[in-house]
Amino acid sequence: DVKVTQSSRYLVKRTGEKVFLECVQDMDHENMFWYRQDPGLGLRLIYFSYDVKMKEKGDIPEGYSVSREKKERFSLILESASTNQTSMYLCASSVIGALGVGYTFGSGTRLTVV
Amino acid sequence: AQTVTQSQPEMSVQEAETVTLSCTYDTSESDYYLFWYKQPPSRQMILVIRQEAYKQQNATENRFSVNFQKAAKSFSLKISDSQLGDAAMYFCAYRSATRGAQKLVFGQGTRLTINP
Repeated sequence: DVKVTQSSRYLVKRTGEKVFLECVQDMDHENMFWYRQDPGLGLRLIYFSYDVKMKEKGDIPEGYSVSREKKERFSLILESASTNQTSMYLCASSVIGALGVGYTFGSGTRLTVV
Repeated sequence: AQTVTQSQPEMSVQEAETVTLSCTYDTSESDYYLFWYKQPPSRQMILVIRQEAYKQQNATENRFSVNFQKAAKSFSLKISDSQLGDAAMYFCAYRSATRGAQKLVFGQGTRLTINP
């Protein structure tokens, strides 16, 4: 069964901490995405990557960075966590060019910044 | 930029009844894809149904069907014979068919409750 795996289901961090959210996919997908999900706002794209070491900003990149050193792994980094980054974070992957197929999602990481 | 709007934050339906979830979108493109995703309490997003904009025929997957009105930029989801397992958040999403376009744009979501 193909998968997108997010390393933590729940995470609690302190304000100012550097936070790493990890995502691994086993489908050899070129594209990987990080979204945050907030009530009433739906899913908003933070960053995506279409190849190793390549990244593009999404709609809300401020306060975040990403790293993609290997094809299967895409990390989201909160350089200095703040309380307004408390949210659900969803990772997804897709085959490049297969526009009609949609994404495969991970199960999400619920991050609380205190 | 494309936008997707789901105007119903919450909906409820009696088990075995039919419910329709609304979705509208804004785009200047003529070729694109539309999706409905389901997110149950497990948080795992599941693709329910998809529609290619160039196809006039509405997509159907078992109890799930869509009413795609391209001119009105409307894409509603109809769930027939609702079951308890259909309770979830439902998200409508848009994806451009432009070469190189990769991202999905999501609506705000609709929480569906099934009453036994």
